Amino acid sequence: AQSVTQLDSHVSVSEGTPVLLRCNYSSSYSPSLFWYVQHPNKGLQLLLKYTSAATLVKGINGFEAEFKKSETSFHLTKPSAHMSDAAEYFCVVSERGAQKLVFGQGTRLTINP
Amino acid sequence: GAVVSQHPSRVICKSGTSVKIECRSLDFQATTMFWYRQFPKQSLMLMATSNEGSKATYEQGVEKDKFLINHASLTLSTLTVTSAHPEDSSFYICSARDLGPAEAFFGQGTRLTVV
Repeated sequence: AQSVTQLDSHVSVSEGTPVLLRCNYSSSYSPSLFWYVQHPNKGLQLLLKYTSAATLVKGINGFEAEFKKSETSFHLTKPSAHMSDAAEYFCVVSERGAQKLVFGQGTRLTINP
Repeated sequence: GAVVSQHPSRVICKSGTSVKIECRSLDFQATTMFWYRQFPKQSLMLMATSNEGSKATYEQGVEKDKFLINHASLTLSTLTVTSAHPEDSSFYICSARDLGPAEAFFGQGTRLTVV
């Protein structure tokens, strides 16, 4: 069975400093992994996805994530935080051929001026 | 990227009435659509999966007679909350997914308030 654990419910960083949002997954087969961002009262927007190509995935708005099979991790990073990055972030896993997405609990990112 | 349009974005209804929420995939054919409910400061909870032309598959604990889902075409799915009560007040989000390992695209969400 698939599962996703986001290790931090809340991360707070200063503007201009690096961002690290941690995600560990459990999957029986080759997974597809995604990071989505949600701003208040909005739907979810895809930041990036891993689907068995390059293990370092670059996404929108300067975010990237590295798929590490040995550590079953898919952490999201950004070199320099911007105020507009403040939002809720979800790590999501899906097994190949499976319809459903499995969501992590979410990490709320706060950016301090 | 692909666009999923959800309407309305916000609705207030009286207790006992029904509310319909629409979810449209604007530039691709969505063989599968999902309906989620999100409580404040929580993750998304999958309510049901709908496949075009067939009955929706509901998650355990979701009342199928209360939350009616119709996926009549490859671009439209609807969720009808029947006989709404204040406890049905929530944020509802749809998503659409095409075949293969593709990502899901999400609607903007609907804030339902039952008074």
